[in-house]
This record gives sequence, structure tokens and C-alpha cells, in this order.
Amino acid sequence: DAKTTQPNSMESNEEEPVHLPCNHSTISGTDYIHWYRQLPSQGPEYVIHGLTSNVNNRMASLAIAEDRKSSTLILHRATLRDAAVYYCILRDEGAGGTSYGKLTFGQGTILTVHP
Amino acid sequence: DVKVTQSSRYLVKRTGEKVFLECVQDMDHENMFWYRQDPGLGLRLIYFSYDVKMKEKGDIPEGYSVSREKKERFSLILESASTNQTSMYLCASSLSLTGLSNEQFFGPGTRLTVL
Repeated sequence: DAKTTQPNSMESNEEEPVHLPCNHSTISGTDYIHWYRQLPSQGPEYVIHGLTSNVNNRMASLAIAEDRKSSTLILHRATLRDAAVYYCILRDEGAGGTSYGKLTFGQGTILTVHP
Repeated sequence: DVKVTQSSRYLVKRTGEKVFLECVQDMDHENMFWYRQDPGLGLRLIYFSYDVKMKEKGDIPEGYSVSREKKERFSLILESASTNQTSMYLCASSLSLTGLSNEQFFGPGTRLTVL
């Protein structure tokens, strides 16, 4: 599986934008970039995913580098509720049937949001 | 909203006991997953199921079995619990394995302690 590298921790102030980076230099052409987050004492929750183009949804934006070797999750206005561990995951969705779209969670980035 | 529920938030069992962890999803999802989460190791996939009565081993199936008799229910079974199976167990479901609807929805987790 292609690996991702994220900073161990980041801090932000409430209502400021947060940019969470992820490096994935060995990404393959069929790898989608997924982001999940895990709030304290809860299971992970899906945030966003993309392949090549930048993506936006109600939770966040995903900016993907042109060479796809890195990506950035953008929280436009951090709230205290956004304090969580954020996981950047590559998910192989190639044809051939050998992959079942497994999610492999690494250590993630612990985001602290200050009031 | 998709809801994934797990039978217990906390469970304490003794070594050698047979343990059942139950997971139910209410959105008619085809696929269900069992992960365990341990500090420093992240989430690891134990088993998954892509249809009723169908199952596939994940990365760490040893010591576990699963059952999927109905679409909405996926059970994880520890035939003879051991102390190294003390962990947080997370169940997830998804509509599809690949493509646009492959995001996984997680339950709140069951923290199992084996004494």
C-alpha cells in the first residue's frame, strides 16, 4: 500500500482557517485520497475524498497537487468541534478485483483548536 | 443519516471466554467491516463482509471469526478471548467498496478489556 506522511500535531485558533498537509509521494494512478477524522471517544467519520481535482463539500475542501504527491485538507473556519485526529488515507480503487478498497489508517494529525 | 450501532460501549471479559461483539447498520449497506484500534498502531482491519454470509479476512484475522446472517448485522466473535485482544473495536459499513459511495460509516466503538 502506498504510504502517507502527516505531521503528528497542529494547532489553530477558533474561526481561523486550517491547512492540514499530507505527503504521498508513492501514490499510484488508481489511488484515491481520502480524509477521515476521529473526534474524542468516537469512531472515525468521513470528511472528503478526491482523485485529481480539488474537491469541496460542506465540511472541508481538498486541494490536490498537480503531481498528486501531496494534498491539503482545508477547514475554512475552525471550530472547537473540529478538534480531532485527522487521517489522510490512500485507497486503491483500481480495476482487477484484487483490492476491496481497504482503508489503512496511519497515525494521523492531532488538531488542537484554541478558543 | 446512516447509523451504525454497536451492542456495548464497554465490555470486560475473562481470558478464555467466548465474546460476541454485535454491529447493526440501518442504511441497507452491502459492506460491513470490523477494525481494532490500538495506541501507536492505528486502525487495523480484522474482517469484512460484502454480502450476507460472505466474509473476507483483513490484515489481522487470527483469533477472530465473523458472522453475517442478515444484511444489517455483522458480528465479531472471539472464540477464546486473550489479554492481547484488549482493544477498541470499531464496526463500519459502506454502500459500495469502490466508487463514489464507498465512504465508510463507523460506529462509536466497543472498548473490550480481557482480564
